Amino acid sequence: DAKTTQPNSMESNEEEPVHLPCNHSTISGTDYIHWYRQLPSQGPEYVIHGLTSNVNNRMASLAIAEDRKSSTLILHRATLRDAAVYYCILRFSGGYNKLIFGAGTRLAVHP
Amino acid sequence: NAGVTQTPKFRVLKTGQSMTLLCAQDMNHEYMYWYRQDPGMGLRLIHYSVGEGTTAKGEVPDGYNVSRLKKQNFLLGLESAAPSQTSVYFCASSWGRESSPLHFGNGTRLTVT
Repeated sequence: DAKTTQPNSMESNEEEPVHLPCNHSTISGTDYIHWYRQLPSQGPEYVIHGLTSNVNNRMASLAIAEDRKSSTLILHRATLRDAAVYYCILRFSGGYNKLIFGAGTRLAVHP
Repeated sequence: NAGVTQTPKFRVLKTGQSMTLLCAQDMNHEYMYWYRQDPGMGLRLIHYSVGEGTTAKGEVPDGYNVSRLKKQNFLLGLESAAPSQTSVYFCASSWGRESSPLHFGNGTRLTVT
């Protein structure tokens, strides 16, 4: 199974950009990269996903390396509400539908 | 539109007791999943289903059984609860495409004494 590697924790100041890295060196050609976040005492929520090209939505941007072996979730202006655990996971193609979460990155946002 | 609803929200069991956790989704999703999350850890996949009447094992299936008799419901059963099963349980659903996001419920906090 292709796995992902993320730093255990990161810190940011409010209203500053945050770049959350994820390594997935064994990614397969058609695997999608998904990001989720989990706020305290809540279930994970979808943030963004991509395949090859960079993606933007109202929550964040996803930058995918040209060789697809790494990606970066970008929060353009961190707020206190962005303090959460962020998970980078691979959505396997070809009918293989296990979704394996790693330990994620705990993001602390300081006022 | 309720999304993914889990019942109950909290439960305390004694060792050896049995219970069933219910997950219901109203988005007509094909795929449903049960995860557990222990303190300070990420989510671990227990069982999943790719359609009505089908189930498959995840990373940590021992001690749990599941059923998907109706497309909208995915049940997780504990036949003989053990303290090691104290955890927060999350259900999720999605379409089958690789680009489809998962939608999670708010969890069931289970304590086994």
